[in-house]
Amino acid sequence: GDQVEQSPSALSLHEGTGSALRCNFTTTMRAVQWFRKNSRGSLINLFYLASGTKENGRLKSAFDSKERYSTLHIRDAQLEDSGTYFCAAEEDMLSGSFNKLTFGAGTRLAVCP
Amino acid sequence: EAAVTQSPRSKVAVTGGKVTLSCHQTNNHDYMYWYRQDTGHGLRLIHYSYVADSTEKGDIPDGYKASRPSQENFSLILELASLSQTAVYFCASKDREDTEVFFGKGTRLTVV
Repeated sequence: GDQVEQSPSALSLHEGTGSALRCNFTTTMRAVQWFRKNSRGSLINLFYLASGTKENGRLKSAFDSKERYSTLHIRDAQLEDSGTYFCAAEEDMLSGSFNKLTFGAGTRLAVCP
Repeated sequence: EAAVTQSPRSKVAVTGGKVTLSCHQTNNHDYMYWYRQDTGHGLRLIHYSYVADSTEKGDIPDGYKASRPSQENFSLILELASLSQTAVYFCASKDREDTEVFFGKGTRLTVV
């Protein structure tokens, strides 16, 4: 089964509002990354976390390896935040996996005026 | 910041033809990866490499070969392109275990 379950699959926000994206993991992950795929199709690195939280501008991410989830919070959404957001997690090496990333299916975010 | 450059950025290929996608990274990273992304899905790992002259199969290797002739270069080869291989392909690299992965801008491949 899928190791990374991302939700919601789609999200619509009005400018100035906020919400949270979430990824649940079915196994222990050692790190998580969040990406945004922009309108040109490029993947933009947002965060890399091995634990705890990180904040960058209007974005904040948290990762709890023990509870097997990660979140990405967006506040004061702007039109340019629109795009598809992916989480990707790296399995704990003790589980025997090479350090590859397993991606969630993505969240399509549309920010409306 | 690490630079991962993919070429071409887009390509149209004929069914049954050979396609080579190239990836070049300039930061001497050990690990390199090829992923494909299909609309509505996350990225899936095709092949990867952790050292020059060695490649490994990822989760969906069928129909693809990979080549790592040097630390900097990692190619994805479709010997006989098929319609189902129409997708966006991403190359990525990273240094060691505790660092983030850096992606190229992607190659949009259309097989007709």
